[in-house]
Amino acid sequence: ETGVTQTPRHLVMGMTNKKSLKCEQHLGHNAMYWYKQSAKKPLELMFVYSLEERVENNSVPSRFSPECPNSSHLFLHLHTLQPEDSALYLCASSQEGRRTGELFFGEGSRLTVL
Amino acid sequence: GDSVTQMEGPVTLSEEAFLTINCTYTATGYPSLFWYVQYPGEGLQLLLKATKADDKGSNKGFEATYRKETTSFHLEKGSVQVSDSAVYFCALRGGGANSKLTFGKGITLSVRP
Repeated sequence: ETGVTQTPRHLVMGMTNKKSLKCEQHLGHNAMYWYKQSAKKPLELMFVYSLEERVENNSVPSRFSPECPNSSHLFLHLHTLQPEDSALYLCASSQEGRRTGELFFGEGSRLTVL
Repeated sequence: GDSVTQMEGPVTLSEEAFLTINCTYTATGYPSLFWYVQYPGEGLQLLLKATKADDKGSNKGFEATYRKETTSFHLEKGSVQVSDSAVYFCALRGGGANSKLTFGKGITLSVRP
């Protein structure tokens, strides 16, 4: 069982659809993250949850809605997306309070918006 | 604020060649430094890390030394393999206990047989 699991691995959706990405971590960490990785662009930090509270939201459009029901699960709800939202969405977790704490990433969900 | 600068890519090498990927950083205090690797179709994996000046991180034949005097954390490997083809990201985590991870832009390495 891998440390951080993301589902689905691939998702194709129309601009009017509503879908969700799911992330689950089995590492006992207390922080979880969503990143967006687009071709030719740097990694973009979207949201950070620490102890199940959102502590960072980097000016992400409201068509992306995160949810963190507990320390092991993180969702990204998607609605009325645009084609430019097509990207690889990466979930990560870490143990906060530890300066050297690295992030552990899932394998990503590849999203295509038609 | 904190920042990480990686050399421009992509990099193409022949198998068994020597690899150096440059990384320099700007940060206040005493950051921790990381190299992540992303193989095709996968997420990012931690390759190695160093948490204080002069520390050397190493893993899978890769090495990087935390150089505070030159604010650098260059990645090296003596003999690359085709299986090392991937995207490599340099990153730092600032001095505060709850600081976030700052990534460089990443560089694509392709190794020819």
